[in-house]
Amino acid sequence: GQQLNQSPQSMFIQEGEDVSMNCTSSSIFNTWLWYKQDPGEGPVLLIALYKAGELTSNGRLTAQFGITRKDSFLNISASIPSDVGIYFCAGQLLDTGTASKLTFGTGTRLQVTL
Amino acid sequence: GAVVSQHPSRVICKSGTSVKIECRSLDFQATTMFWYRQFPKKSLMLMATSNEGSKATYEQGVEKDKFLINHASLTLSTLTVTSAHPEDSSFYICSASIPGTGAGGLFFGSGTQLSVL
Repeated sequence: GQQLNQSPQSMFIQEGEDVSMNCTSSSIFNTWLWYKQDPGEGPVLLIALYKAGELTSNGRLTAQFGITRKDSFLNISASIPSDVGIYFCAGQLLDTGTASKLTFGTGTRLQVTL
Repeated sequence: GAVVSQHPSRVICKSGTSVKIECRSLDFQATTMFWYRQFPKKSLMLMATSNEGSKATYEQGVEKDKFLINHASLTLSTLTVTSAHPEDSSFYICSASIPGTGAGGLFFGSGTQLSVL
């Protein structure tokens, strides 16, 4: 099935640094989401984006829904050790109030060193 | 927040046996649940959409006779891996949606690690 391309694939940063990752698709999505997954756990929603151009923050996290509706980025400011994990973007075609299937990105593995 | 419970968290079985995984929405009713599969260091791939009271919708390439899905109530969907083989070993994750909330109201279970010997 289709996957969204995420970059970078992995990154090692120092505590306190800012992080940026992005997600691109060859097709349009009407909803973009960013999740964090810890080892052996299911993904946890970080940010949901519903409109092209939308910029949304959740604490130290900021995400934007690209104007073309084919991309999104996630920024993490002042990283801390608990930010370690795998970050996935996901796209949903429908923009109604009904959740439909998600297409997940390839993931960005984040390691934070002290 | 809403909770989706998945059980068991880990199962080891012999080749040829069947394994049932349960996914429950604990504090909301879910007419639709989703089942994903994830290989080590890979992304989540949708297997099927589970619809309460009707047949599941399977993604292309997923064998419906191999992966049986039953969504008999508004709070429970089950995935049965029939005649499991080592290649079925994987991390299986379910998700459930709070009706009317869109993708932002979709919550994931904690996953089931299946190991087939």
